[in-house]
Order: sequence, then C-alpha cells, then structure tokens
Amino acid sequence: DTEVTQTPKHLVMGMTNKKSLKCEQHMGHRAMYWYKQKAKKPPELMFVYSYEKLSINESVPSRFSPECPNSSLLNLHLHALQPEDSALYLCASSREIQNSNQPQHFGDGTRLSIL
Amino acid sequence: GEDVEQSLFLSVREGDSSVINCTYTDSSSTYLYWYKQEPGAGLQLLTYIFSNMDMKQDQRLTVLLNKKDKHLSLRIADTQTGDSAIYFCAEIENQGGKLIFGQGTELSVKP
Repeated sequence: DTEVTQTPKHLVMGMTNKKSLKCEQHMGHRAMYWYKQKAKKPPELMFVYSYEKLSINESVPSRFSPECPNSSLLNLHLHALQPEDSALYLCASSREIQNSNQPQHFGDGTRLSIL
Repeated sequence: GEDVEQSLFLSVREGDSSVINCTYTDSSSTYLYWYKQEPGAGLQLLTYIFSNMDMKQDQRLTVLLNKKDKHLSLRIADTQTGDSAIYFCAEIENQGGKLIFGQGTELSVKP
C-alpha cells in the first residue's frame, strides 16, 4: 500500500482530448513531484512543487500543465498529447525539498496511453 | 553533472543472496536510496543510507557504502521469487532535491 494515491490507474485518450491526472497525499509533505517513466527505464523528473509553488520545470512541453490547488493535492492537466507521451506518470511527495534526509514517497502511477 | 550507474540484469536462484551494485559521481551526496519497482507498480522506497555510514541492515537487506570509491551495494539475503523486480539506486542532487536515478537492475529469481 502507498500513502500517495494517484487516479486514475489507467487512462486512454485521443490526441485531441483534455484530461487530468490527480495525486493526493496526507502525510503533511510540502514538496510534490511529477515524473514520467517509460518501460524499464528510470523515472524522469517533470515538475516539482514546494509549498504549493512551482519550483522546478524540467523543460516540459506546454501540453502538460501542472497545478497544486493545496498542500495535499497535485494535478497534471493534459491537452493535445502525442503518442510518444504514452508512459507511466508517477507522483511523489517528500517532507521538504531542502532536507535531503527526507526521502521521496511514490504513488503507483497512472498508465497513460495516447491513441 | 551527477551520474549513477548500475548493471542492468541479475539472475539468482531462490534462497541465494543477491548483490546489486551501484556507482555514483556526486561526492557531496548526503543520502543514497534504494527503490524497488514491481511490474505495473510505482516505486517503493526500500532503504536509504546516510553518507557518513558504512553499512545499514534492515531484516534481509544490507546496504554497504564505500564513499572513497563512490560505490553502493544492496544485498538481499535468502532471495525469494517475490523479490523479482527492478531495483533503482538514487542519489539526491545537492540543490533542489532532485533525485538522480541509475538505470535500474532487473532482478530475476528462479525457483
């Protein structure tokens, strides 16, 4: 069981659709992360939020739009995605960014398929 | 920039010990992590070690750190089929909290 909850678990969408991925944690963590992972590869960092403000954007295309409505929730809005965006999208959280002794805890991910 | 390297595959027999190795480049890393990923699942934090430690043991898991050689290893005693997964070594980037992952070692446990 994971303390970071991601919904939906699976998502199939067309290239013209708009959808959102959701992530929730109730551990009181103030840093939240989005990663993209291709099969049998390590996760690639996309975005980092710290205290509900965007801290890092790893040059992600604008068709991915993150949002942090409050300290427990993190969304990833998707629009006009490409087939190469099909991947497992992982959310993670940690107590803070600056304290590196606080590990990141991951959700089970959303498996996204773009038709 | 920082880099983390792991061998890609390891195959062992059930009941044997498994040793997964990792090398890293950032000597200022304060913590090093091991994550486990089973098929279709997210990353599970297995254990982590502070850079001023040489060894950390947690039940069947033993982490060894050689800071001089920047070498980290994860030993799994009495390996079971349920240990079959991909294991990622990771270090924390000095600024900003970014995790730098290795390529992952796929552990296959044969009965």
